[in-house]
Amino acid sequence: GEDVEQSLFLSVREGDSSVINCTYTDSSSTYLYWYKQEPGAGLQLLTYIFSNMDMKQDQRLTVLLNKKDKHLSLRIADTQTGDSAIYFCAETPYNFNKFYFGSGTKLNVKP
Amino acid sequence: DVKVTQSSRYLVKRTGEKVFLECVQDMDHENMFWYRQDPGLGLRLIYFSYDVKMKEKGDIPEGYSVSREKKERFSLILESASTNQTSMYLCASLPTGTGNQPQHFGDGTRLSIL
Repeated sequence: GEDVEQSLFLSVREGDSSVINCTYTDSSSTYLYWYKQEPGAGLQLLTYIFSNMDMKQDQRLTVLLNKKDKHLSLRIADTQTGDSAIYFCAETPYNFNKFYFGSGTKLNVKP
Repeated sequence: DVKVTQSSRYLVKRTGEKVFLECVQDMDHENMFWYRQDPGLGLRLIYFSYDVKMKEKGDIPEGYSVSREKKERFSLILESASTNQTSMYLCASLPTGTGNQPQHFGDGTRLSIL
């Protein structure tokens, strides 16, 4: 399968910004996604970006896509303790029949 | 709202048993997926199905099989459970169409094989 890579851990203080990074190898990626997984739960979609976009903002969330470097990031402004979770990036190629997930980044928000 | 329901949140079985994990979705989605989630490895696709009675192997199908007799139900079968199949199993569904439709996930089944 395609490679999607993320760092495993990130720790920030409440109120700071968090930036979670992801790199991928599939040059035919069309949509890229960020999912959040809270303890004991499944994955819920946070946001997504189409590959012809550079940036997408949704309230506290900002997604940046550098298609040339195949780099995706998720910035969470004013991080709260409720943001503590595992964040997965995922991408899907043009035919949308398979999703490739990164290993997940565990975000720990310290009060 | 799409609902993907996995029949058990926690399951404990013994080595050698045949284990069934059930997943039901209520939105008439064509595509359904089974993943396993292990720490540091993210989600790995076991099998997926794009229609009733159709199935395709994912990245790690060994030791597993699936059944899709009805559109809303996708079952994962461990033919003879082994301890290395202890994991969190996640089911997802997806409508056919454009990529701005995300996969919808169930809450997962944490399976322990003793």
